[in-house]
Amino acid sequence: SQTIHQWPATLVQPVGSPLSLECTVEGTSNPNLYWYRQAAGRGLQLLFYSVGIGQISSEVPQNLSASRPQDRQFILSSKKLLLSDSGFYLCAWSTHPRGTEAFFGQGTRLTVV
Amino acid sequence: AQSVTQLGSHVSVSEGALVLLRCNYSSSVPPYLFWYVQYPNQGLQLLLKYTSAATLVKGINGFEAEFKKSETSFHLTKPSAHMSDAAEYFCAVSENTGGFKTIFGAGTRLFVKA
Repeated sequence: SQTIHQWPATLVQPVGSPLSLECTVEGTSNPNLYWYRQAAGRGLQLLFYSVGIGQISSEVPQNLSASRPQDRQFILSSKKLLLSDSGFYLCAWSTHPRGTEAFFGQGTRLTVV
Repeated sequence: AQSVTQLGSHVSVSEGALVLLRCNYSSSVPPYLFWYVQYPNQGLQLLLKYTSAATLVKGINGFEAEFKKSETSFHLTKPSAHMSDAAEYFCAVSENTGGFKTIFGAGTRLFVKA
């Protein structure tokens, strides 16, 4: 069966520090991968998605970037965090190419102080 | 462009009462529609999905939803609320014509009173 791992679960970082969040998927190959951010009362905002290694699409301009160095690995990064980057970050995957539902990791609670 | 509107950011019901969470969608192509549930500090779990088969979809935990094209709605219901149903619920839409991005509503937090 497929599983998705996301870490760390919680993270407190100072303003201006770098960020690296990792997500890996097991039990499937060539998945679509996604990074979402959830802010209170705003639902889920799609940040990045990827349909293959090295293929990243950005949905919103921001202080963050994403990379997919391996088929089942998706990384969310920042060179310098802002206070507004605080939130709950969720990684998800769906089948490729015509995925239906997305399967979510447990999320990372990021607090920028 | 696709969008989802969830009516009511908070809904409160008594234990044993009917649960009704409203969702309206906008899509220029036939949609896939989903309801997800999220418990505190956890990821989202799929409750049910509509993929152009039966318009009444049954999901886990006694929930069901009905696709009404004429009303562009996909409301979530459960006949009798349980305390364990207290959570946040998200309606979502994606294209079924080759697209795969899922767009989520803002969410509705369900409170269940004893």
